[in-house]
Amino acid sequence: SQQGEEDPQALSIQEGENATMNCSYKTSINNLQWYRQNSGRGLVHLILIRSNEREKHSGRLRVTLDTSKKSSSLLITASRAADTASYFCATPLPTGANNLFFGTGTRLTVIP
Amino acid sequence: NAGVTQTPKFQVLKTGQSMTLQCAQDMNHEYMSWYRQDPGMGLRLIHYSVGAGITDQGEVPNGYNVSRSTTEDFPLRLLSAAPSQTSVYFCASSYYQGGGYGYTFGSGTRLTVV
Repeated sequence: SQQGEEDPQALSIQEGENATMNCSYKTSINNLQWYRQNSGRGLVHLILIRSNEREKHSGRLRVTLDTSKKSSSLLITASRAADTASYFCATPLPTGANNLFFGTGTRLTVIP
Repeated sequence: NAGVTQTPKFQVLKTGQSMTLQCAQDMNHEYMSWYRQDPGMGLRLIHYSVGAGITDQGEVPNGYNVSRSTTEDFPLRLLSAAPSQTSVYFCASSYYQGGGYGYTFGSGTRLTVV
């Protein structure tokens, strides 16, 4: 199977709750990235975490990386309706040249 | 600073027709790539380029050609459109961001082949 798959496939929460999405990957990586895609739009880069980092924050986003388990999680705190989107993790492809593999994403719905 | 610009936003083609999807970036990024996004399959890499004059194949290159004559432009050509090429196409350029290369995406081209 492929590098980088998100879990769950879909998540529905109430506004104000926290949302957690997970990503698992297969091979060694030097970084992992998370992107957001609003319906009908392109992907937007959220955060990059390097392999020597365990946790990184950006506003209401918290990303963790566990290289021993080959997994990462994205936590969105105090969610808002505007956070409704699909979230993708991306990992470098073995081909190098900055190529990234994107999973199928987690579809997050935040109910007002 | 417009970022990555894709045209057209929507296109309907008949089977066998050819067309070019345009992609331009104004950030002087060396790396550019094309992905297609299909329901339930994530994004798949079609072709990529690490600089002007250099292109290479990705995961799903068949039926597509690319060229990179300038740093700014990276057009994707469909040689003879097939219904299997119905998809949303995204162009991206890449920049170094402290530990790795992050992508800036265009807004996509939704292509339907009938």
